[in-house]
Amino acid sequence: QVQLVQSGAEVKKPGASVKVSCKASGYTFMNYGISWVRQAPGQGLEWMGWISARNRNTNYAQIVQGRATMTTDTSTSTAYMELRTLRSDDTAVYYCVRDRGDILTGTGHYFDLWGRGTLVIVSS
Amino acid sequence: SHELTQPPSVSVSPGQTATITCSGDALPQQYASWYQQKLGQAPVSVICKDTERPSGIPERFSGSSSGTTATLTISGVQAEDEADYYCQSADRSSTYVVFGGGTKLTVL
Repeated sequence: QVQLVQSGAEVKKPGASVKVSCKASGYTFMNYGISWVRQAPGQGLEWMGWISARNRNTNYAQIVQGRATMTTDTSTSTAYMELRTLRSDDTAVYYCVRDRGDILTGTGHYFDLWGRGTLVIVSS
Repeated sequence: SHELTQPPSVSVSPGQTATITCSGDALPQQYASWYQQKLGQAPVSVICKDTERPSGIPERFSGSSSGTTATLTISGVQAEDEADYYCQSADRSSTYVVFGGGTKLTVL
């Protein structure tokens, strides 16, 4: 079954870090990129960035530039997104998505497979 | 920066046609894709690259694009189509993703 399975919900204090995992199955992991998209409560979708599962190239959105690190482990077909120096406005559901854009350059993004999301709550 | 503009809400009766637009200056050069999100669920892709319908998506969903406007059309709307719909594209460099603000489709 083609799917992305994400790690469970997290509660963090402001200033802490969180690392969300996304395990792919049912397809060849290295043939696609992974983008991360978040959604604050009651709000729309916000793209955070992309990583190639082939060469580990990354592109980050300005909203998380310098605070987010996206990595992959091809031995386990797992992508990770770490977000540091958490703030209350980072409270959101974080989705990993299979990205059908160019696997080497990260251009031409579109998404055809979504994980179920990981809720991250940042609260003191 | 590249922005995509959608109407906040669209309402239709069952069996009618729903049209949701997405406007953006980069759309003449970039594909638009569309995602359906039902309450409490993850989004699902319903249209990719302007007009392509992923496997498993009903034929009543179609997409088009002309100039600076992309359009999602749902023909013969059913109650189960009630959801938020988001368009998505890229900036002029094709590197950075942008989403529209979302349109809430209400089936009366």
